Amino acid sequence: QKEVEQDPGPLSVPEGAIVSLNCTYSNSAFQYFMWYRQYSRKGPELLMYTYSSGNKEDGRFTAQVDKSSKYISLFIRDSQPSDSATYLCAMKAGSYQLTFGKGTKLSVIP
Amino acid sequence: EAGVTQFPSHSVIEKGQTVTLRCDPISGHDNLYWYRRVMGKEIKFLLHFVKESKQDESGMPNNRFLAERTGGTYSTLKVQPAELEDSGVYFCASSLMVRKGETQYFGPGTRLLVL
Repeated sequence: QKEVEQDPGPLSVPEGAIVSLNCTYSNSAFQYFMWYRQYSRKGPELLMYTYSSGNKEDGRFTAQVDKSSKYISLFIRDSQPSDSATYLCAMKAGSYQLTFGKGTKLSVIP
Repeated sequence: EAGVTQFPSHSVIEKGQTVTLRCDPISGHDNLYWYRRVMGKEIKFLLHFVKESKQDESGMPNNRFLAERTGGTYSTLKVQPAELEDSGVYFCASSLMVRKGETQYFGPGTRLLVL
């Protein structure tokens, strides 16, 4: 079983839609949870960082963590064409080594 | 402030050749990481430097890979001899310190193709 499972998509939505991206994990030692956005031919860019169960909001983005279910989500409200990218969940148990999901490729259609 | 830079952006080599990838972290970042993504797989950790010291190289696939960070500034990752399965995107990241809230800033990656 992979440590982190993420549906690679692709996911295509109309502009303005609410997008829901999800990851599940198996390693109970993971304490810190991140979402990265990666545009084509670029490196991953940190979007959201959380370390406790619950919700964290930043503008149009909400990160949700449910440690009891080992499930994390990223919601994007009022999606824009500029949100079209690959979204990667990442987790870590200690202080540095990130474990990534495969990434979900999102297209927001104008 | 310049971000993490990597050179070259692309490299195409033949099996058995040697390739050296370079990473320049953000100035002042003591922590430097190498990750790799092979086709269809997740991005995977390779190793972690603190200044010039290797803290963790548990992700290095085999002894054909050699990473160095002389002087604690830029880092190189050498693959010698390259094999077909080494093809992928090699990312470098850096961070100011190692703590729970630290952000790793990624470079654009080097796309390596071994023929």
